Amino acid sequence: EAGVTQFPSHSVIEKGQTVTLRCDPISGHDNLYWYRRVMGKEIKFLLHFVKESKQDESGMPNNRFLAERTGGTYSTLKVQPAELEDSGVYFCASSQDWELAGPGGAAKNIQYFGAGTRLSVL
Amino acid sequence: RKEVEQDPGPFNVPEGATVAFNCTYSNSASQSFFWYRQDCRKEPKLLMSVYSSGNEDGRFTAQLNRASQYISLLIRDSKLSDSATYLCVGNNAGNMLTFGGGTRLMVKP
Repeated sequence: EAGVTQFPSHSVIEKGQTVTLRCDPISGHDNLYWYRRVMGKEIKFLLHFVKESKQDESGMPNNRFLAERTGGTYSTLKVQPAELEDSGVYFCASSQDWELAGPGGAAKNIQYFGAGTRLSVL
Repeated sequence: RKEVEQDPGPFNVPEGATVAFNCTYSNSASQSFFWYRQDCRKEPKLLMSVYSSGNEDGRFTAQLNRASQYISLLIRDSKLSDSATYLCVGNNAGNMLTFGGGTRLMVKP
């Protein structure tokens, strides 16, 4: 079974340009998440889709970032216009609603990550 | 203060050694915890979930202490292939994962 795939793996753009990142979740996963890691910092949450709806976008840094998930399948994250501080690695993750795991069948939200898109804004 | 705190390391250990990582969290509302492993320039991969009762998976043992808001990971009989960054992760009811900065482990021959 294919995992979470992200495209492109690397992107180098100039400040002020537009970049669109794509994420294909694991088939059948309704939940899709975007995270990012900027240099020297921990991975941070950006937003969460349930199917095509934005469930939580509290982590989106500003209105230069636009995420979409038309049809509830793949998702795109557009940065327009890109700024220097947007450089980092953008990860996508997907999950089923809740998976039974562990002692007594405890339910947990297990998120599976893609390899990320490394964005460099020059 | 970060929500999830980890010692960044690196921890340099010889093959066969036992090594322990600790992690503290500040959000008492966090419901689930995980250890993820991340190799250089790769995606985070789930290593194991963490339960209050403690859980073991082969050479790996994880423990959660809710009273102290403390999570641990113990690796026995370290292998060269265990070299990676270990991420302590919390999950609140809203599904958002909160990551620590990671602890880097280097296992030497």
